[in-house]
Amino acid sequence: EAGVTQFPSHSVIEKGQTVTLRCDPISGHDNLYWYRRVMGKEIKFLLHFVKESKQDESGMPNNRFLAERTGGTYSTLKVQPAELEDSGVYFCASSQGHYNEQFFGPGTRLTVL
Amino acid sequence: RKEVEQDPGPFNVPEGATVAFNCTYSNSASQSFFWYRQDCRKEPKLLMSVYSSGNEDGRFTAQLNRASQYISLLIRDSKLSDSATYLCSRGAGSYQLTFGKGTKLSVIP
Repeated sequence: EAGVTQFPSHSVIEKGQTVTLRCDPISGHDNLYWYRRVMGKEIKFLLHFVKESKQDESGMPNNRFLAERTGGTYSTLKVQPAELEDSGVYFCASSQGHYNEQFFGPGTRLTVL
Repeated sequence: RKEVEQDPGPFNVPEGATVAFNCTYSNSASQSFFWYRQDCRKEPKLLMSVYSSGNEDGRFTAQLNRASQYISLLIRDSKLSDSATYLCSRGAGSYQLTFGKGTKLSVIP
């Protein structure tokens, strides 16, 4: 069974540009989560989808970040315009039920220059 | 106080040793706990889930002490392949996971 996949694995962009990250959860997992790890800090929650609905977006840093999950399958996270402090590793995770274990994707390493 | 705190280490132990990591949490409403291991530049991989007082899986034992608000991870008979960063996390009502910074373990031949 395929795990969580993310694309791209790396992205280097300049400040002010736009980047879109994609996550494909494990098939059948209704719950999809985005997390971010900034260098030297712990992994932090960004938001949670249940199917196509945003359940909790309390961790989104600001309105430059937009997440979507059309059709309740894959999800995208767009950063527009990117700032230097957005650099970090963006992880996606999925789970079957709310209390079930979350399985992480390999992450997208974003560098904003 | 951070929500989840871990000793960053590094813990350098010889092969075959027993090593224990502690993790404290501040939110008493936390309902579930998870230990993940993360290899350098890789994603966190689920190691153990802890819902009640503890869990054991082979060489790994996790214990939960709700009164003192800490969980521990014990690794017996350490292998070189156990070298990694171990992340403690808790889940609460909103289902998001809150992570500690991780504890780095190096098992030395």
